[in-house]
Amino acid sequence: DAKTTQPPSMDCAEGRAANLPCNHSTISGNEYVYWYRQIHSQGPQYIIHGLKNNETNEMASLIITEDRKSSTLILPHATLRDTAVYYCIVRAGSGGSNYKLTFGKGTLLTVNP
Amino acid sequence: SAVISQKPSRDICQRGTSLTIQCQVDSQVTMMFWYRQQPGQSLTLIATANQGSEATYESGFVIDKFPISRPNLTFSTLTVSNMSPEDSSIYLCSVLSPGETQYFGPGTRLLVL
Repeated sequence: DAKTTQPPSMDCAEGRAANLPCNHSTISGNEYVYWYRQIHSQGPQYIIHGLKNNETNEMASLIITEDRKSSTLILPHATLRDTAVYYCIVRAGSGGSNYKLTFGKGTLLTVNP
Repeated sequence: SAVISQKPSRDICQRGTSLTIQCQVDSQVTMMFWYRQQPGQSLTLIATANQGSEATYESGFVIDKFPISRPNLTFSTLTVSNMSPEDSSIYLCSVLSPGETQYFGPGTRLLVL
């Protein structure tokens, strides 16, 4: 799986949008970008994933560049409860060992009042 | 998403003993995974557990130390054998949804004295 690079930490003001970047310059054509977050040693929570197109759900938006070498997770109105470590993971498509997730160090997002 | 529970949620054990961690999901799933998160570290995959076959272990993890059972499509156990303080970690199970997204349980916090 392609390796990802994320900033170790970011701050955001409550109520503002949080934009978390991720570089994955070696991503292959069949690899998806997944985002998870982990709030204070709880189990990781799935947020969103995408292949090529931008995606949006009730939690966040995922913007993938046209060359797919980077992406940005957007939390439109960050709250204190969004303080967590956010992981950007590249995972291959269907089949066997492709389903396993390789976690990096992620980005610690701190939402300040 | 699947509802996943783990038992116990936390435990304190003596070195040399073994602990079996249970993972229960509320729907049938083909693939289950076990991860370890050492203090201050990210998640590392231990093994993949498929029903009806032996678990597939990642490099650095062996069956004698981390035996896994997968008796049916909603349940799995991970045993941490002959524990030492270095085994103190959070152990997490995850399941692969029909949509090929992994969802995680709440984790089991283990402290070995």
